[in-house]
Amino acid sequence: QVQLQESGPGLVKPSETLSLTCTVSGGSINGYDWSWIRQPAGKGLEWIGHIQTSGRTQTSGTTNYNPSLKSRVTLSVDTSKKQFSLRLTSLSAADTAVYYCAREEVKGTWLFDNWGQGTLVTVSS
Amino acid sequence: SYVLTQPPSVSVAPGQTARIACGGNNIGTKSVHWYQQKPGQAPVLVVYDDSDRPSGTPERFSGSNSGNTATLTITRVEAGDEADYYCQVWDSASDLCYVFGTGTKVTVL
Repeated sequence: QVQLQESGPGLVKPSETLSLTCTVSGGSINGYDWSWIRQPAGKGLEWIGHIQTSGRTQTSGTTNYNPSLKSRVTLSVDTSKKQFSLRLTSLSAADTAVYYCAREEVKGTWLFDNWGQGTLVTVSS
Repeated sequence: SYVLTQPPSVSVAPGQTARIACGGNNIGTKSVHWYQQKPGQAPVLVVYDDSDRPSGTPERFSGSNSGNTATLTITRVEAGDEADYYCQVWDSASDLCYVFGTGTKVTVL
């Protein structure tokens, strides 16, 4: 069973940049697509973006981002380390949330079949 | 972008049936997936492709999808079913590839 583990700082100052990493174990990172999803306390789930290694598009490493975050988000992948990463710039209190990494799978259409446990990121001075 | 609307809460007595609606424009033409999220935990897929169950999901969980509403049904509700439930679709026509519903809190009375 594949396992995902998020890592990164729990506290970041406003206007600074957040960097999170998701490490994949128990399975391959190649051949799958990987997403970041966040959830503010007491609120719903928001998809941030994904990075593809599955080949569902012609170019591995292709990214897509939530239009509401696109100007501030960058995703990257290091297949040799079995890690993919999130970089979110110009943080504000509105970015305070639990951040999840997740694996995408296609069952009918695309969904998330494996999730990390999540990591709480607080934006505060 | 595509919007999925769920009732904020559903309350049900143990042993009864809970029905959770997920409304979206012509959602019946899309494949809908459902996640269960218990407090402090990550979401877990419980129903996929409208009505299929991953291994490990009890048969008490079922789904349907038609017209403008998809529905997750939990029969013979147990205390352990108390959780938040989210529907999700993949929107191939949008840059917002993945859309989640607003979420429904199921309370077992």
